[in-house]
Amino acid sequence: GAGVSQTPSNKVTEKGKYVELRCDPISGHTALYWYRQSLGQGPEFLIYFQGTGAADDSGLPNDRFFAVRPEGSVSTLKIQRTERGDSAVYLCASSLGVGGGAEETQYFGPGTRLLVL
Amino acid sequence: AQSVSQHNHHVILSEAASLELGCNYSYGGTVNLFWYVQYPGQHLQLLLKYFSGDPLVKGIKGFEAEFIKSKFSFNLRKPSVQWSDTAEYFCAVNSPANSGYALNFGKGTSLLVTP
Repeated sequence: GAGVSQTPSNKVTEKGKYVELRCDPISGHTALYWYRQSLGQGPEFLIYFQGTGAADDSGLPNDRFFAVRPEGSVSTLKIQRTERGDSAVYLCASSLGVGGGAEETQYFGPGTRLLVL
Repeated sequence: AQSVSQHNHHVILSEAASLELGCNYSYGGTVNLFWYVQYPGQHLQLLLKYFSGDPLVKGIKGFEAEFIKSKFSFNLRKPSVQWSDTAEYFCAVNSPANSGYALNFGKGTSLLVTP
């Protein structure tokens, strides 16, 4: 079946603008994660959803960042008043569920490369 | 604090050389361990994973990793690398201590295999 998809693949915006990044998880996966990967670093956790509600948003850097998953499938990461420091690759991953079992392996999308000028 | 360390940031090998990439973690209790790979222009892919059982885990493309609990390590190995193994390799850990079993990644190791 199809993997995790993310759109757009690249986004260039100006400082202060608002952006939305979309993630479409693997069908049937109830858990969805957002990570951010800065240059030369590994991905860092931002937020995860179990179903429709944000189960933990403790990784979001500040209140300019917000994410939704209204119907328990597609998720949108929203960034207000973008800053140059927000430039990074934003990754989405999904898994069948949340837990420590093999079936809860996370599968990643291709990412959205955000550049804030 | 919980952390994942990858010792080598850049590795250059000739084809057919053996590979070992180090990964250490600082977590208490139960952990799940992963190696992900990112080939040039592609997204992160799971290479192998350890949840329980045999500490020697075999993954795709001839890779394997050994979980040594006493050393808090999960090193990645391949006996003979190929040019197509050129990629970025990430070690990751999750546990019940991570909210939602979110992955905690190391900084990655960039591997270049020369012909």
